[in-house]
Amino acid sequence: RKEVEQDPGPFNVPEGATVAFNCTYSNSASQSFFWYRQDCRKEPKLLMSVYSSGNEDGRFTAQLNRASQYISLLIRDSKLSDSATYLCVVNPWDSNSGYALNFGKGTSLLVTP
Amino acid sequence: GAGVSQSPSNKVTEKGKDVELRCDPISGHTALYWYRQSLGQGLEFLIYFQGNSAPDKSGLPSDRFSAERTGGSVSTLTIQRTQQEDSAVYLCASSSRDRPYEQYFGPGTRLTVT
Repeated sequence: RKEVEQDPGPFNVPEGATVAFNCTYSNSASQSFFWYRQDCRKEPKLLMSVYSSGNEDGRFTAQLNRASQYISLLIRDSKLSDSATYLCVVNPWDSNSGYALNFGKGTSLLVTP
Repeated sequence: GAGVSQSPSNKVTEKGKDVELRCDPISGHTALYWYRQSLGQGLEFLIYFQGNSAPDKSGLPSDRFSAERTGGSVSTLTIQRTQQEDSAVYLCASSSRDRPYEQYFGPGTRLTVT
């Protein structure tokens, strides 16, 4: 079983729509949680960290539920430029792999005019 | 400031040849990670360096893969006797001691084995 699971999509939404992505993880020892964004043929870039209290950055809101081992990302008022693959990432620590990131396979978002 | 750089950006090689991939982390970043992303697959962790030391090499896909880091900076990932299944994008990331859980990725090396 993969440690981080996401719905691959694609999610096709019109500009201005609100879209939500979900992710579950299996390793309860995971300490840090992130959403990364990856554009086609580009490297992943950190979008935002995810905290238990929930956090917001402009149009983006991330939530973490440790009890359910569930992470979400909400994008409001979506823009064409939001089209990308969104990667759910968890970050357990161990002495052998440090803070190596465990990535989900990503959820593809296409925002259309 | 300068980000993580990797070279070459693209490499096409014949099956059976050796290749060397290079990563220059952000200056001062103590931790360095190698990942690979195969077509249609998620990112797969390969190896981690803290300083020049890699505590565990078991994430490397086979014994044809090796990695080293010198001077606490540049790292090289070497693949010997390349196979077609080695074709992937190889990504390097680094992080600082202050924020070890935030990794910054280089643009990757796209390796194609023909």
